[in-house]
Amino acid sequence: ETGVTQTPRHLVMGMTNKKSLKCEQHLGHNAMYWYKQSAKKPLELMFVYSLEERVENNSVPSRFSPECPNSSHLFLHLHTLQPEDSALYLCASSQEEGSGANVLTFGAGSRLTVL
Amino acid sequence: GESVGLHLPTLSVQEGDNSIINCAYSNSASDYFIWYKQESGKGPQFIIDIRSNMDKRQGQRVTVLLNKTVKHLSLQIAATQPGDSAVYFCAEFLLYSSASKIIFGSGTRLSIRP
Repeated sequence: ETGVTQTPRHLVMGMTNKKSLKCEQHLGHNAMYWYKQSAKKPLELMFVYSLEERVENNSVPSRFSPECPNSSHLFLHLHTLQPEDSALYLCASSQEEGSGANVLTFGAGSRLTVL
Repeated sequence: GESVGLHLPTLSVQEGDNSIINCAYSNSASDYFIWYKQESGKGPQFIIDIRSNMDKRQGQRVTVLLNKTVKHLSLQIAATQPGDSAVYFCAEFLLYSSASKIIFGSGTRLSIRP
């Protein structure tokens, strides 16, 4: 248990469905992230929230919509996804201050399959 | 542009032997490096880090070596065990920058032969 919990662990959805991924961190961190992990590719940063404000959006399609209601919770709302969006979605958190060494703590991921 | 590359996508090691996983980086300004381990069904886990003012750092059974001259990073695992089977990522970034600037490599899959 890393202190970052993601639900659901597995999700299968059709292209017309709407679903949400949830992430909760119990580490008292002030920043949270969504990454996409596809086979044989480096981790792709999707969104960054620092102190509950979105600070980064790496040209992610609008069918992915993040929400950060407080510093401990992060959501990724999904709608009208495409089969190529099938991947492992990783949530991470970090404490962005102090030593300057911004070490990410990851959750176990949500495996998404789009049919 | 910036990139972090891994020399081999897969590495097979006899149980009990030492493992060496290599990583090349291209941004000479990077001053902080991390190795992550990702086991099947889990997210990446921090193993060890090193700052650019160091050449070597040791942890429990793991050692990271940094050669800034050739921009090369390696992770050495002593007496490799079955539990070491995983994908290993290196990552680089600048200290005091946002974690959004972290650049991850593709990963090397380490498998252990009994």
